[in-house]
Parts: sequence; C-alpha cells; structure tokens
Amino acid sequence: QVQLVQSGAEVKKPGASVKVSCKASGYTFTGYYMHWVRQAPGQGLEWMGWINPNSGGTNYAQKFQGRVTMTRDTSINTAYMELSRLRSDDTAVYYCAMEVTIPYWGQGTLVTVSS
Amino acid sequence: DIVMTQSPDSLAVSLGERATINCKSSQSTNYLAWYQQKPGQPPKLLIYWASTRESGVPDRFRGSGSGTDFTLTISSLQAEDVAFYYCHQYYNTPWTFGQGTRVEIK
Repeated sequence: QVQLVQSGAEVKKPGASVKVSCKASGYTFTGYYMHWVRQAPGQGLEWMGWINPNSGGTNYAQKFQGRVTMTRDTSINTAYMELSRLRSDDTAVYYCAMEVTIPYWGQGTLVTVSS
Repeated sequence: DIVMTQSPDSLAVSLGERATINCKSSQSTNYLAWYQQKPGQPPKLLIYWASTRESGVPDRFRGSGSGTDFTLTISSLQAEDVAFYYCHQYYNTPWTFGQGTRVEIK
C-alpha cells in the first residue's frame, strides 16, 4: 500500500532554512509527481508545488518562487522540500502528497518559525 | 487556476440529522476529493472521483455531483463527525482546495 512518511517537527529562527523529507513506499516512486501542500495554524490548505521524481523537473507556486526548492533521491525513494529565508508566517504543517488514481498524503511535518 | 468555492463556511446540525456541504469548481473536473480534518491531524480522504467512497469510510458519507458542482452529504450526523471538511481538485496543477466547512453539533 502507498505510504508517505515525513521527517519530524522542526523549530527554526527567522531567516533560516528548513528541509523536510518524504519517504515513499508501495508504488513506483519515479512514476508519479510529488506535491507539497502546507497548512498554517487555523488556515486552509495551500499548494506549494510539485517535483517529477523521474526527471527532477519542478513546478512551484508563484508565491514560493525563489524561496522553495524541491529535490529527490531516487536511490532511497525520498522527496525533499526546502524553504529558505523563513518568516514567522511560514509556521505551518507541511505535507507531501501524490496521486495514484486517488490522493495519498504524508502525516505532515510541523515547522515552527520563532525567534 | 481552478477556483474551488465551498459553502457554507460553517454548519450546525443536530445529531442524527443530515449535513450538506457544497463545492463549486470554476472549471469542469471529476478529479474531486473530499477530506475530513480534525485538530492536529492530517486530512483524511473520504471521497475521490467525486463519488467513490474510500475504503473504511462509513456509508453515511456520500459524494455526488459532476462537472462543476459537487456535494458532500453526511446522512445522519454523529458526534465523531465534528470536523472541518475540504473539497480538493487534483485534475489540474496547481492543486486547489475549497476554503473549508466547519461542521458542529447543534
């Protein structure tokens, strides 16, 4: 069965970077785009972008252009999302998600940005 | 981008009564999912392809609609159904979501 297991919670200072991992299993990792979605406290769901694990190609939401980098390591079936120049309003739960007929989601990673 | 508009923003329903949530898409799609989210938990998939119930989801949850107009119906509200509910289109990039509907007990 499809499983997406994310890395643990992070606390970062403003201006720092954070890198969240998402280990995939139960399907062909290189066959399906990996999306990243975030949810700020008390807010809705916001799409950040996707990576094509086969080619490494990416497509980022305009809001995050220049601050987000999505990468992957096909040898360990893992996708990464790095967000730089963190601000307090980047405090959120970050999810990886993909679709194989139906959407599957990771468990989420809480990133707290605080001085 | 496909804009997803949910209504209402919140809903209070008596136990055992029906709850209905609507979602309107700015473009036609049938790659439409419904999620339930409780505090501190990730979204839980209830319905995909607009009307297919995910395995293990109680049959009081029903998705309907096609094209641009979709509905999630909880036929007999239970206490454990108190949560936020979101619609999601995964047909086009960017993925887009409704703003969420809060369901409470009246």
